[in-house]
Amino acid sequence: DGGITQSPKYLFRKEGQNVTLSCEQNLNHDAMYWYRQDPGQGLRLIYYSQIVNDFQKGDIAEGYSVSREKKESFPLTVTSAQKNPTAFYLCASSPMTSGQVFTQYFGPGTRLTVL
Amino acid sequence: AQSVTQPDIHITVSEGASLELRCNYSYGATPYLFWYVQSPGQGLQLLLKYFSGDTLVQGIKGFEAEFKRSQSSFNLRKPSVHWSDAAEYFCAVGAGSGSARQLTFGSGTQLTVLP
Repeated sequence: DGGITQSPKYLFRKEGQNVTLSCEQNLNHDAMYWYRQDPGQGLRLIYYSQIVNDFQKGDIAEGYSVSREKKESFPLTVTSAQKNPTAFYLCASSPMTSGQVFTQYFGPGTRLTVL
Repeated sequence: AQSVTQPDIHITVSEGASLELRCNYSYGATPYLFWYVQSPGQGLQLLLKYFSGDTLVQGIKGFEAEFKRSQSSFNLRKPSVHWSDAAEYFCAVGAGSGSARQLTFGSGTQLTVLP
């Protein structure tokens, strides 16, 4: 089955720790995205990447970092600099073809809780 | 910059009743418009999208949406709601070009379905 997988489903972080959220896709999509979701605020873009070894900051990149070493993988690290990381994190991917431009497909999400 | 407004935070309908969820967008050019649905603790699922052509678009699960340029709206409709439709619904607009292509999401409408 083609799709997007995120792991773990639940993640707990202690104060001062860095944690990494995994996102993998086997859809052969060029673009990948990370969003943060808080209750009542919709989705906010953290980082996105449209090609391997290249990525851009979104609206709320501070305290987060990413890498894109492989087309199918786009891990997100939540660093200790992110002061309020408790949220639901969603990964998405998108083909860059003209008929599917902007169409994003989402993974199941990771819920991060700071203890 | 583009923006999306979903005026209704929460809507309650009875099973079998009709449904309309409102979405207004702000964007200078022809928009790419989307509706997504999210069940609790899950990722987002694409319901339908509008790129061009017929302004009434059909989606999955019996949903449809109508693009009205004069009103800057893209309202989602369903003639008869099922209990399984209870979820949160997000409208989004695609904007930008090249490496700056992004989706901007509304803050969502929570749908409750009464038996």
